[in-house]
Amino acid sequence: GESVGLHLPTLSVQEGDNSIINCAYSNSASDYFIWYKQESGKGPQFIIDIRSNMDKRQGQRVTVLLNKTVKHLSLQIAATQPGDSAVYFCAETRAGTYKYIFGTGTRLKVLA
Amino acid sequence: DTGVSQDPRHKITKRGQNVTFRCDPISEHNRLYWYRQTLGQGPEFLTYFQNEAQLEKSRLLSDRFSAERPKGSFSTLEIQRTEQGDSAMYLCASSLTIAGLNEQFFGPGTRLTVL
Repeated sequence: GESVGLHLPTLSVQEGDNSIINCAYSNSASDYFIWYKQESGKGPQFIIDIRSNMDKRQGQRVTVLLNKTVKHLSLQIAATQPGDSAVYFCAETRAGTYKYIFGTGTRLKVLA
Repeated sequence: DTGVSQDPRHKITKRGQNVTFRCDPISEHNRLYWYRQTLGQGPEFLTYFQNEAQLEKSRLLSDRFSAERPKGSFSTLEIQRTEQGDSAMYLCASSLTIAGLNEQFFGPGTRLTVL
């Protein structure tokens, strides 16, 4: 399949370690944020979301943190596995509009 | 597999030709979206439908682009007189808005190459 994100920032992590992927969002009016994972040749896959009235949300092995003061979002992946290797995008949107605005993405490489 | 399907998965065409892509959303989803993604970039919003009504269009959607969702189910995206700059991945997504939530499920995309 084609390669997603040829010139993206890359985070290399040892298998079993924790990963932290960061994202700066653009619109202070955004109130809903989503992290997507995209593997080569596939569409983005939903990982976790968070609303602006929260600053932390946990899923299975993933945690999203939201800092509205500095418009910053992070995705933490615990015990990173080879299957986590992909490009990760954050997306933002706000009430009244349904389009997502995506960030530029980060490539995660898991080293065995 | 999210349940959103797109056809074709790949399309190679010559500059100046017209192309049409199809998206079949998750059956009960009332909203359908089209995005475009170029290599190294995140998806960019093009347009979205609520049922059969096209409610928002991006400035990226030039006059050569048209999208339809005639019966509120599948959608088509047509590009007329293709240009090399149209080469990209075209992604479709669908959602069902419940209690304000709007999780969008993406299809695998159609990769367009304009020669």
